[in-house]
Amino acid sequence: QSVLTQPPSVSGAPGQKITISCTGTSSNIGAGYDVHWYQQFQGTAPKLLISGTGNRPSGVPDRFSGSKSGTSASLAITGLQAEDEADYYCQSYDSGLSAWVFGGGTKLTVL
Amino acid sequence: QITLKESGPTVVKATQTLTLTCTFSGFSLSTSGVGVSWIRQPPGKALEWLALIYWDDDKRYSPSLKSRLTITKDPSKNQVVLTMTNMDPVDTATYYCARPYNSIYFDYWGQGTLVTVSS
Repeated sequence: QSVLTQPPSVSGAPGQKITISCTGTSSNIGAGYDVHWYQQFQGTAPKLLISGTGNRPSGVPDRFSGSKSGTSASLAITGLQAEDEADYYCQSYDSGLSAWVFGGGTKLTVL
Repeated sequence: QITLKESGPTVVKATQTLTLTCTFSGFSLSTSGVGVSWIRQPPGKALEWLALIYWDDDKRYSPSLKSRLTITKDPSKNQVVLTMTNMDPVDTATYYCARPYNSIYFDYWGQGTLVTVSS
């Protein structure tokens, strides 16, 4: 069981907006630690998608954005495209565990 | 250009010790603030952070696996080695090495290596 909680799956039609939630506790997200997002296509390594609340590595479209409030964070994808179909993971740091922690992952299906 | 690559056995038997090597380029583990981490992912499951070693030999381990893990480095070879003792079939996973950026997030990842534990 992952320390950060994500919905197992989300779906949306091309062009729509979807959000993926990431819920933590007072020892990780609620303690002020940033949340980061990774995108993983089947059979490949995760790739950093967003660091913190909005920093995108070079090459990541601005259709992807992140936000955080309290003990939760969200990844939003606007103008959904077929190529966005992948697994998405959130990640933070947990001071109680003294460990880097991940969410359980969310599978995005583009209908 | 920063790259990392994992190497090691593809199959180990239960109770054996796993030794994985991460060979990297494009950065130095002799540079202040730099580290290398190991993360694993069982088939169809989530990512799990395992261990991290810093340039100054400071080491961090997952609390749940700490007793079984050892991470070491050889800056001269640009390598980091992870050993995991007493392997079990539940340890079957793809093992990744990754570079932590400012100890916050992981900005570069290796391609991963699948390790299967046979009973």
